[in-house]
Amino acid sequence: GAGVSQSPSNKVTEKGKDVELRCDPISGHTALYWYRQSLGQGLEFLIYFQGNSAPDKSGLPSDRFSAERTGGSVSTLTIQRTQQEDSAVYLCASSLAMLRGGYQETQYFGPGTRLLVL
Amino acid sequence: AQSVSQHNHHVILSEAASLELGCNYSYGGTVNLFWYVQYPGQHLQLLLKYFSGDPLVKGIKGFEAEFIKSKFSFNLRKPSVQWSDTAEYFCAVYPYGGSQGNLIFGKGTKLSVKP
Repeated sequence: GAGVSQSPSNKVTEKGKDVELRCDPISGHTALYWYRQSLGQGLEFLIYFQGNSAPDKSGLPSDRFSAERTGGSVSTLTIQRTQQEDSAVYLCASSLAMLRGGYQETQYFGPGTRLLVL
Repeated sequence: AQSVSQHNHHVILSEAASLELGCNYSYGGTVNLFWYVQYPGQHLQLLLKYFSGDPLVKGIKGFEAEFIKSKFSFNLRKPSVQWSDTAEYFCAVYPYGGSQGNLIFGKGTKLSVKP
């Protein structure tokens, strides 16, 4: 079956504009995760969804970031009033169930959206 | 806060050399451990994982990793690297009792294998 897909693959925007990044998880995966990978840095966890619910939004770097998931499938990550420091690769991952203590799950990653804010 | 340290930023080896990439984490409780690999131009792929049982885990493409609880380490090894192993390698930890769903990643080690 198809893996996790993300769109667009690349996005160049001007500072102050809003952007929407999309993630299509693997069919049947109920858990979905967003990460950010900046140059020379590891992956920074942003938010996860179990179904359509995002219980913990504390990983989002500022209130300019928001995410939603509808129908237990597609998720969008929205960045409002983009800043240059938002430039990064935004990665989405999905798993059959939520990764939590005692529950063995593996996250499968998409190809990412490379965002450049000029 | 929990963290993951990968000791080497960039490793350069010749083909057939042996590889060991270090990974240490800071968390005293039970963990799940992962190594992911990102080949040039490709997305992150799972290389191997440890949840419980035998601390020596074998993954794809001849890679293995050993979980040493007393050292909080999960080093990745391969006896003989190939040019096709050129990639960036990320160690990741899930700490039980941590923020659910939050995999904590190291900053990655770039491996360059010379033919």
